[in-house]
Parts: sequence; C-alpha cells; structure tokens
Amino acid sequence: QSALTQPPSASGSPGQSVTISCTGTSSDVGGYNHVSWYQQQPGKAPKLMIHEVTKRPSGVPDRFSGSKSGNTASLTISGLQTEDEADYYCTSFTDTNTYVFGTGTKVTVL
Amino acid sequence: EVQLVESGGGSVQPGGSLRLSCAASGFTFSTYWIHWVRQPPGKGLVWVAQISTDGNFATYADSVKGRFTISRDNAKNTLYLQMNSLRGEDTALYYCVRSPHYDFDSWGQGTLVTVSS
Repeated sequence: QSALTQPPSASGSPGQSVTISCTGTSSDVGGYNHVSWYQQQPGKAPKLMIHEVTKRPSGVPDRFSGSKSGNTASLTISGLQTEDEADYYCTSFTDTNTYVFGTGTKVTVL
Repeated sequence: EVQLVESGGGSVQPGGSLRLSCAASGFTFSTYWIHWVRQPPGKGLVWVAQISTDGNFATYADSVKGRFTISRDNAKNTLYLQMNSLRGEDTALYYCVRSPHYDFDSWGQGTLVTVSS
C-alpha cells in the first residue's frame, strides 16, 4: 500500500493551466477507473473535485478536469484562479479492496 | 444537509486505546459505505478503513490491521473506530467520510488523536 506519487508542488499565473500527475501501478490507478481528486484548503476538510477519473460533482467549476493514461492519472486546472491555491490529493481503489491516497501537491497561484 | 461529526479524540500514551465516534445526519446512513481517513499534523491524507452498509464487511490499511476495528450502528446513525495498541505514528486528525461510489463526497471536520508519553 505505497502512496501514489504526486509532484510536491505546481504553480501558475492567473489564467494559466496547471496539470498534476498521480502515478500508481496496475494494482490501483492502472487497474480501475476509481480515481478521484480532492482539494484541501488550509485548516479545512478535503473537498471532492473529480470522481471516476473524469466526472465532476455538481458545483465544481468546469475548469477542473481529470484524465488517465496507463498507471498515471492527471488533474488539470484551466484558467487558474487565486481561490484554486490549495493542496490537491488523488486517491484510487486497489486490488486488495482498499484505497490509497497520493502524496499531495501544493498548488500556488503566482 | 449532510453532517458527519466526529468525537472521542484526545491524548493517550503509547500502547493505550481510544474509541472514536462519528454521528451522521442529513442522509440515509444505512445506505452508504463509510470510511475513516487520517491526516498526521502537517502531512498528507492516509486511508485507514472502510465498512459496508450492513457492517458485515470491512477492510483496513496494513498499518492499522489487527489494532483498529471499524464498526457501525445503523439504528443510531453512528460509526465507530476502536483503536488499540496505539503508537506515535497514529497521531493524526481522524476524518469520518461518506462514500457513495468509490469516492469520498462528504467529510466531517475531524477529531485529533495524539499518542505521546
């Protein structure tokens, strides 16, 4: 149950795009479409942003999008806004009927 | 409004025990799988355990297997986490989380567990 690998940080100017990767194995990310992404603002509980790789819950802006290729999932924030500055985590269902989170990525809006 | 309210956290010595509770409201508790997720101070999220709708099936992270037990009382709309043989690395904010379908759509505010001598 090793954590999924995410870059520690990512940044962009307002209006730019930023993409965060989430790399696992064929036992988790690569084996299932049960990958989701969470945004965590300082001192707050995480918030679901993307589920089932690409689906956006009601109320999440359409500038957030998800994708997957092989063992790597990605979250893209298009048209970056100051309120998008936060920590982002991916998670995946695994073949042992457990879940594993990513290491987390801090997104900074320059 | 969906609400998940954790309680039971506190300070405990290594080797000690604690039982966390999570009171749910605003939704039909018995129809959702529920999870515990923890976050050590200043660190990332870590999945801990999950329990099925009827409470008959549960799985755990390797790091807590054999020491933690997740359970639920659907009549009381309450989730529990019995934590035994606590270690320093169990120090974290523990979140109760609702799962509609392989994702976590509602989170409580967490209860802090500190394991220290």
